[in-house]
Amino acid sequence: GAGVSQSPRYKVAKRGQDVALRCDPISGHVSLFWYQQALGQGPEFLTYFQNEAQLDKSGLPSDRFFAERPEGSVSTLKIQRTQQEDSAVYLCASSLEASEAFFGQGTRLTVV
Amino acid sequence: AQSVTQPDIHITVSEGASLELRCNYSYGATPYLFWYVQSPGQGLQLLLKYFSGDTLVQGIKGFEAEFKRSQSSFNLRKPSVHWSDAAEYFCAVGENTGFQKLVFGTGTRLLVSP
Repeated sequence: GAGVSQSPRYKVAKRGQDVALRCDPISGHVSLFWYQQALGQGPEFLTYFQNEAQLDKSGLPSDRFFAERPEGSVSTLKIQRTQQEDSAVYLCASSLEASEAFFGQGTRLTVV
Repeated sequence: AQSVTQPDIHITVSEGASLELRCNYSYGATPYLFWYVQSPGQGLQLLLKYFSGDTLVQGIKGFEAEFKRSQSSFNLRKPSVHWSDAAEYFCAVGENTGFQKLVFGTGTRLLVSP
């Protein structure tokens, strides 16, 4: 596609509910990143994939957060048993190897 | 660990006036440095980046930034601001091994007055 596509754009979840956020990277981009942006803050790194391999997941805040990219293209960020502090915008970015990252518009998650 | 400081939370500039947004970083080696812009409801758009070489970097939309190693700074400048420049600006630092992980500052919100 023309850019990084994320869906849904907005998600409201009840506390305790599981959610899945989808990212379609730019075609051919081997690297994929997830960031979390809390209100009024800069994005914070969550995890990084190179093709299907998750090379860095040091930013995932707890074991309730799980990301996958099984075929090296589309990625899903799953949050189990959501809590209020998970409310944020989740940004996905993709890049060619050793090149600048292009960001999607993000998914705004609100946990009520 | 790397860190980025953007000391100004908000800045208001008159349209047509010059702009400078401050960014200070902490990193042991020569970092990769970036400036991104984020408009409401939009993702991040890369304005410019510095890896090595000339310390004055030109970007899109008439922006430039200067890397000053002695001051650990990478300030963003524009000689004449347009109303469409109103947005949130983020400075980020990446490890010089690549683009795998960026550390962002907390951002500076630019307001443009008529």
